[in-house]
Amino acid sequence: AQSVTQLGSHVSVSEGALVLLRCNYSSSVPPYLFWYVQYPNQGLQLLLKYTSAATLVKGINGFEAEFKKSETSFHLTKPSAHMSDAAEYFCAVSDLTGGGNKLTFGTGTQLKVEL
Amino acid sequence: DGGITQSPKYLFRKEGQNVTLSCEQNLNHDAMYWYRQDPGQGLRLIYYSQIVNDFQKGDIAEGYSVSREKKESFPLTVTSAQKNPTAFYLCASKDVGAGRTDTQYFGPGTRLTVL
Repeated sequence: AQSVTQLGSHVSVSEGALVLLRCNYSSSVPPYLFWYVQYPNQGLQLLLKYTSAATLVKGINGFEAEFKKSETSFHLTKPSAHMSDAAEYFCAVSDLTGGGNKLTFGTGTQLKVEL
Repeated sequence: DGGITQSPKYLFRKEGQNVTLSCEQNLNHDAMYWYRQDPGQGLRLIYYSQIVNDFQKGDIAEGYSVSREKKESFPLTVTSAQKNPTAFYLCASKDVGAGRTDTQYFGPGTRLTVL
C-alpha cells in the first residue's frame, strides 16, 4: 500500500518569507503526486500535480513542487508568502496498483502567515 | 459552469437516525468518491464508484452505504450503525477515460453534526 507523510502539522511563516511544506511518499511504482489546498469549510482545490513529466512542477498561486525520486519527496514551496496563503495543504499519492485509481492523502499541514 | 455540488452544506441529525448526503456532478466523469475528514487525520476514503451501478468499499465503509443509479449522482447514506458520524464529508469525481491524469475534483463538502 502507498502512504504519504507530511512533516509538521502546523507551519508558521512571516508574510514575504519562503514557504516550505514537506511531503514524503512510499510507492513501489512511479507514482502520480498531488498537492491540494483547503480553505476553512470548503472543498479541496488542486494546486499542482506530478505525472512523470518534468520533475519541477509549477502550480497556481505561485506554488511549485519538485519530485525527487532518490529522496521519495515532493515538497511544496513558494518564494514569498502572502496572507491569502493561510490554509490547510494536503499531499496525495495516486494508487495505480490496486484498481480504482484511489488517492492516499497525508494528514495535512496547516499554514499560518503572520504579519 | 461545470462542477460538483453537495447538499446540504450543514446537516444536523439525532442519534439513531439515518441521513443521506447528496453529491451531483456535471463534469461527465465516470468515477466518483466519498471521503470523510476529521481534524488531524486527513481524508479517508469511504466508498468509490468507477461506473454506474457499481461501487466498492474504501478504507472506512462500515456504517455507510451508497448507490450509483445515474452517472452524475452518488449519494451517501450515513446509517445509525456509524458510531461516530460527526465529520466533514467530501465528494469527488474523476475522468477515467483515455489520457486521464488521475486528478480528482472536489465538491464544497457537507458538515454533519450528530446531536
